[in-house]
Amino acid sequence: GAGVSQSPSNKVTEKGKDVELRCDPISGHTALYWYRQSLGQGLEFLIYFQGNSAPDKSGLPSDRFSAERTGGSVSTLTIQRTQQEDSAVYLCASSSPGQGGAAGEQFFGPGTRLTVL
Amino acid sequence: GNSVTQMEGPVTLSEEAFLTINCTYTATGYPSLFWYVQYPGEGLQLLLKATKADDKGSNKGFEATYRKETTSFHLEKGSVQVSDSAVYFCALSSGTSYGKLTFGQGTILTVHP
Repeated sequence: GAGVSQSPSNKVTEKGKDVELRCDPISGHTALYWYRQSLGQGLEFLIYFQGNSAPDKSGLPSDRFSAERTGGSVSTLTIQRTQQEDSAVYLCASSSPGQGGAAGEQFFGPGTRLTVL
Repeated sequence: GNSVTQMEGPVTLSEEAFLTINCTYTATGYPSLFWYVQYPGEGLQLLLKATKADDKGSNKGFEATYRKETTSFHLEKGSVQVSDSAVYFCALSSGTSYGKLTFGQGTILTVHP
């Protein structure tokens, strides 16, 4: 079956521009996560969506970052006024009902590599 | 807060050597523990997990035991192969964090023939 997909796979942008990154989770998965993988910071949690509940935004590094999830499926991560320190691989993951809690197995997408010049 | 500390790499081994990658953690509550692997050019995938103390997770010849008394979850394999070359991440998910993962910094493993 189809896994988690992300687009674009690579994005190069100029400092100050806005970017949108897309994630298509596995069908039926109610939990969706965004993480960031960078050389200096390793793998960091950004934001979490679970069903219709309010998202957990505790990992977003600044108010330039936002995310939404439409219809409980596709999610978009938006970075406004990009900075060079935003350069990283942005990973999306999803998990099925009942698995997103203490036992959670998350299935990861291939990531979007963002480069800010 | 939650944190995970992995032994620093890179780790370079010859084929059939014994592998240990150390992982210790700090967490509130009773976390679940995971090892994820990232093969070259591929996405993160779950290697093994353990959800309570003294559980042993195993997969593909890799093992890790959840040690609550030492807050550790060390990854071991008795005989590594070239195909095991990858980046390995230790991670935890505590019951209060809705499944979001806290990762260690990753350990690069290279296995030579």
